[in-house]
Amino acid sequence: RKEVEQDPGPFNVPEGATVAFNCTYSNSASQSFFWYRQDCRKEPKLLMSVYSSGNEDGRFTAQLNRASQYISLLIRDSKLSDSATYLCVVNDPGTYKYIFGTGTRLKVLA
Amino acid sequence: GAGVSQSPSNKVTEKGKDVELRCDPISGHTALYWYRQSLGQGLEFLIYFQGNSAPDKSGLPSDRFSAERTGGSVSTLTIQRTQQEDSAVYLCASSLGSASYGYTFGSGTRLTVV
Repeated sequence: RKEVEQDPGPFNVPEGATVAFNCTYSNSASQSFFWYRQDCRKEPKLLMSVYSSGNEDGRFTAQLNRASQYISLLIRDSKLSDSATYLCVVNDPGTYKYIFGTGTRLKVLA
Repeated sequence: GAGVSQSPSNKVTEKGKDVELRCDPISGHTALYWYRQSLGQGLEFLIYFQGNSAPDKSGLPSDRFSAERTGGSVSTLTIQRTQQEDSAVYLCASSLGSASYGYTFGSGTRLTVV
C-alpha cells in the first residue's frame, strides 16, 4: 500500500459544480496534513492545512477522518481558475519529512 | 527576497557532466528541503536540512547526489556524472522549524540531461 494515495483523475466538472477529492494515508501516527495546489509546469503552493475539526477557507473545505485514515477537499462553486492538480501531503511520523501524493487533476469546464 | 529563489531555472547538460543547483531560502527559515519531480510523477524527497543539525540524506538516490547548506542559508545540490534518468524538476522548499505550517517552494530547476 502506498503511503499516500490519491485518485489521479482527471475530474472534469462544469463551472459552478461542487467537487470533492479524497486522499488516504497509511500511517495512523501521522499528525499534520495539507492540501497543495500545483498548476501545470509550476511549483506546488500551499492551499490549506487540514485540522482535526475540519476547516473552511472560502469555497474550500478540508476534513480529516482519523478512524478511516483519509482527508478530503471539497470545492464549492468551481471556477475555471480552480483547474489544477491537487496534492495531498502527510507528515512522516518521527521525521521532519512530508510525503506527497501524486495528485488529483481537476479540470473545470466552461 | 520574499520567496524561495532557485537557479538556474533551466539547465540542459550532457550525460556525464556535473551540475550544481542553487537554492536561496526565505530569510529566517531554518528548514530547507530538496525534492524532485519527474514528468507526470509525484514529489520525491531527496534531502532535509534543519539549522546546524546533520542533514537527513535518506532520499538521495545514489552517491552521485550530494548537497550542502552553508551558513544555515543557501543550499547547493550537486549531481555528478549526470545520467538521463536524472532529468526532472528539482524543487527546493523552506519552512520555519518543523514545517507544521507547510512549506514554501521555489519555482524549481528543470534539468534535462541529453
